[in-house]
Order: sequence, then structure tokens, then C-alpha cells
Amino acid sequence: DGGITQSPKYLFRKEGQNVTLSCEQNLNHDAMYWYRQDPGQGLRLIYYSQIVNDFQKGDIAEGYSVSREKKESFPLTVTSAQKNPTAFYLCASRTSGSSYNEQFFGPGTRLTVL
Amino acid sequence: ILNVEQSPQSLHVQEGDSTNFTCSFPSSNFYALHWYRWETAKSPEALFVMTLNGDEKKKGRISATLNTKEGYSYLYIKGSQPEDSATYLCAWSNRDDKIIFGKGTRLHILP
Repeated sequence: DGGITQSPKYLFRKEGQNVTLSCEQNLNHDAMYWYRQDPGQGLRLIYYSQIVNDFQKGDIAEGYSVSREKKESFPLTVTSAQKNPTAFYLCASRTSGSSYNEQFFGPGTRLTVL
Repeated sequence: ILNVEQSPQSLHVQEGDSTNFTCSFPSSNFYALHWYRWETAKSPEALFVMTLNGDEKKKGRISATLNTKEGYSYLYIKGSQPEDSATYLCAWSNRDDKIIFGKGTRLHILP
């Protein structure tokens, strides 16, 4: 089945450790996105990528890093520099090139930093 | 930081009543306006994507309108049902695939 997978669903880490969240899609989508959701907030854009080997910062990129070595994969690393990493993280993808293309979302990863 | 505003933040509606809520967005660099429905324990799902001023889209009891000149969109739900309870998100996008979301409107349908 085509779709977006994020793993793991729940993730616990100690403060000061880097952690990488996985996002994979088999929809052949060009663009991929990482969002963060906090209680009472909407989805805030962390990073996005339009094509392989290229990505742009969103509104809250500080303390995060990404890579886009393959079209299917867009992993997000939450570094120790991120001051409030505990949050729900959503990955999304869409086809570029048309204004009517919707985003498709993964199931999300809930990260808790202890 | 670009601001996409949604109002109200939360809404309680009696089953069978109709309702609507608003998304306002900057007109500059506008390319498309998206509406998503996000039900608890599920992923957000697209409802509509609109680009042209005056666009109107409809899916069953849900419809949306777009005014790009003044920077707002309305989402309407006719005859609310319990399954309409969800958070409704709108998002602005530009030509470079950047997509920014509002904080959402949390809709509760009362039996």
C-alpha cells in the first residue's frame, strides 16, 4: 500500500541526546515536510524539501537538522540544541508542480525528552 | 514569520445546526489555500485546495470559499453531525512549496 510511515510512534530520550525521527514515503512525491505540534498550537513548519539533496528552513528550524539523500526518505534529527524538544512530530509529502496538490501525512511520532 | 489566523479557536455546535469558521492569510506570495480535517488519533486529511479568487469547493455537507484579494477563506458545514467533530486546519502555500498552517478550529458537535 502507498503511504507515509513514521517510526517509532513513541520515543523517549534523555536530555542532551540527539535523536533522529524517521519518515519514509512510497508515493513518489517530490516534496516532503516536517511539522511540530504542541498543545494549543497548530502545525509549525520545521523544514521542507522540494527535491533530493535540497531543503529549506521553516519557521522553527533552530535545533533541528534534516537530510534528503533519497526521494523516499526525509529524516529529522532533534539535536541537543533544541530547547523544548518534547512534542508531536508530523511528516508530510506532496507532489510538486501543481497548486492543487494536497499534502499526505504520516501517523506522527511523539517525542518525550526526560 | 508569516501568520495564518483561524477563528474561532474552539466551537461547540448542536447536532443538525450549520456552522462556519474563518481562515485569514497574507495575500503576498499566495499560491494556494488548503483545508484539512484532523480527527483525534488520526492523521490530517485534505478537504480542499483552492487557488483562484472566488473559488468555491464542496464535498458533501462541507464547502469552502476563497477571497485572495482580502486574504480570507470560509469553511461551512451544513447540518452538523457527530462525525464532523475534529480540528479543522487551514494552510497557506507559496510557489516554492512552502506550506504554513494556522492553529486550527476545534469543532465539537453536541448531541
